[in-house]
Amino acid sequence: AQKVTQAQTEISVVEKEDVTLDCVYETRDTTYYLFWYKQPPSGELVFLIRRNSFDEQNEISGRYSWNFQKSTSSFNFTITASQVVDSAVYFCALSVIYNQGGKLIFGQGTELSVKP
Amino acid sequence: EAGVAQSPRYKIIEKRQSVAFWCNPISGHATLYWYQQILGQGPKLLIQFQNNGVVDDSQLPKDRFSAERLKGVDSTLKIQPAKLEDSAVYLCASSTGGGATYNEQFFGPGTRLTVL
Repeated sequence: AQKVTQAQTEISVVEKEDVTLDCVYETRDTTYYLFWYKQPPSGELVFLIRRNSFDEQNEISGRYSWNFQKSTSSFNFTITASQVVDSAVYFCALSVIYNQGGKLIFGQGTELSVKP
Repeated sequence: EAGVAQSPRYKIIEKRQSVAFWCNPISGHATLYWYQQILGQGPKLLIQFQNNGVVDDSQLPKDRFSAERLKGVDSTLKIQPAKLEDSAVYLCASSTGGGATYNEQFFGPGTRLTVL
């Protein structure tokens, strides 16, 4: 069975602080994809990043960075110098490929609040 | 490029009433998904279509939920009769999809359903 766990339900930081959102996943498949989505108060899910199971390189995009470690089944997300606009719910998700494409299995989400 | 459209954005009904949601995917996207997002949880897949056909409806409560995708484009999701626990946001997503690979899913703004 596949599962995604985001142990942090809520995080509150002050603007300009760095913050890391944790994600742990479970799957027995060797081929899979991991994702992070942002859900602002408007409700629409915004795609942030996708990694496949064979690419463990860390990635940096502006203030965002992702650390993928297969050994610990983790795919953590760090926001550097957080801003108020980063306030949202962040979801980590897993997709295992099957015959007609993959469905997304989401974690519970982490609500990030960045205060000025 | 127009995104995934959903209507209505909000709906309030009483229990035992019926309700329908509409989704128009991105033009040319073969795969369409309906997710249910209960407050405080991550989205959960209800049903996945590949063109006109159903790929996965294993988590759709078929005694009360139904969905169709006529002509492989628009889709409707219906609940009849609604229960209190159906209160949630219903998200539609689409992807170019198909085959043993992964294609990015694009999400609509969702329909927030409140059952009283």
